[in-house]
Amino acid sequence: LAKTTQPISMDSYEGQEVNITCSHNNIATNDYITWYQQFPSQGPRFIIQGYKTKVTNEVASLFIPADRKSSTLSLPRVSLSDTAVYYCLVGLRGDDKIIFGKGTRLHILP
Amino acid sequence: GAVVSQHPSWVICKSGTSVKIECRSLDFQATTMFWYRQFPKQSLMLMATSNEGSKATYEQGVEKDKFLINHASLTLSTLTVTSAHPEDSSFYICSAPKFSGYNEQFFGPGTRLTVL
Repeated sequence: LAKTTQPISMDSYEGQEVNITCSHNNIATNDYITWYQQFPSQGPRFIIQGYKTKVTNEVASLFIPADRKSSTLSLPRVSLSDTAVYYCLVGLRGDDKIIFGKGTRLHILP
Repeated sequence: GAVVSQHPSWVICKSGTSVKIECRSLDFQATTMFWYRQFPKQSLMLMATSNEGSKATYEQGVEKDKFLINHASLTLSTLTVTSAHPEDSSFYICSAPKFSGYNEQFFGPGTRLTVL
């Protein structure tokens, strides 16, 4: 599993766009990039997954440059309820086990 | 989306007793499930892989005799914390993979264990 590096914490304000970047220099050719969100005292929740270029869903966008050595999770117009820990994972394939990194603790301020 | 449940959602027990936590995939079958523990302000730590019909695979440093895992059916895995001690107090979470158009794992809501 490729190692990932992401900021430990970030603060932002309601209504702002938040971008969280994850570095994964050792990503393998077949690896996907997946982001999970975790609220306190809850299990993680899948946000988005991508392989290259850009993926968008109703919650977020995921930008992946051509070399795939990094990725950026973009949350448009955040609200207080987006305060959570966000985990970047690389290499998730089918029933592979997940090794979580430290994640990014996002704190949205009013 | 697929649903994974855990029972109980919280449990308080006395030191030395055993506690069983259930993880169920409600609307899909899972031959593999995973168990994690999470301490406050920390990330999830993978404890073991639960395999239906065979022995669980434990991560390095996890005591297999203390954390007993049984995957008795395609929808149920159980984690038993034997002879629990205060240091076992933690948040235990299970997950199960299911292809949903993505290579995704669905996580249970977690079980808060407090050992007095």
